[in-house]
Amino acid sequence: AQKVTQAQTEISVVEKEDVTLDCVYETRDTTYYLFWYKQPPSGELVFLIRRNSFDEQNEISGRYSWNFQKSTSSFNFTITASQVVDSAVYFCALITYNNNDMRFGAGTRLTVKP
Amino acid sequence: DTEVTQTPKHLVMGMTNKKSLKCEQHMGHRAMYWYKQKAKKPPELMFVYSYEKLSINESVPSRFSPECPNSSLLNLHLHALQPEDSALYLCASSQVLGTGASNQPQHFGDGTRLSIL
Repeated sequence: AQKVTQAQTEISVVEKEDVTLDCVYETRDTTYYLFWYKQPPSGELVFLIRRNSFDEQNEISGRYSWNFQKSTSSFNFTITASQVVDSAVYFCALITYNNNDMRFGAGTRLTVKP
Repeated sequence: DTEVTQTPKHLVMGMTNKKSLKCEQHMGHRAMYWYKQKAKKPPELMFVYSYEKLSINESVPSRFSPECPNSSLLNLHLHALQPEDSALYLCASSQVLGTGASNQPQHFGDGTRLSIL
């Protein structure tokens, strides 16, 4: 069985603050893939990043960075210098090699205030 | 604008109606998905099609009937729905490479907001 936990239900920050969204996952499979998606109020889920279980390198894309640590089964997402446009619900998701059933965490609602 | 197009964007229907949700993608993806998302909840997988064949049906009630007429289109036929079926229905697609679709990012449409009266 696989499970994704996003313990932070809601986070509120002021613009320009840094914010980290936590994601902890569980799976018995050795090959798996982790994703982060952003869901603005419009409803569309926007793909942000994919990381496979064999690649623990951290990644930075502009103001976004991701920290993947297999030892703690975590895949955390940091937004640096947050902006109002970052306000959305962010989902962490897990899918295993032989299964097309992607499991989402409960989501973290981020509000960035001006 | 997304590369996965869903119509209609909003749908209100009675419990005795029959309607269909449509999804279209032109990215050459051979895996397509239907998800159901209730308010303040994550998306839940309903169906997966791979090469136009149903590969996953997550114990969805028969009042939801998927159809994949070709590699670009995915429909969800609705009949005799219940008020608890009111939700956002999301369609997604992804590539299918040699090792399967699971490692490929899914691209989502804007969804259809369905209300059952």
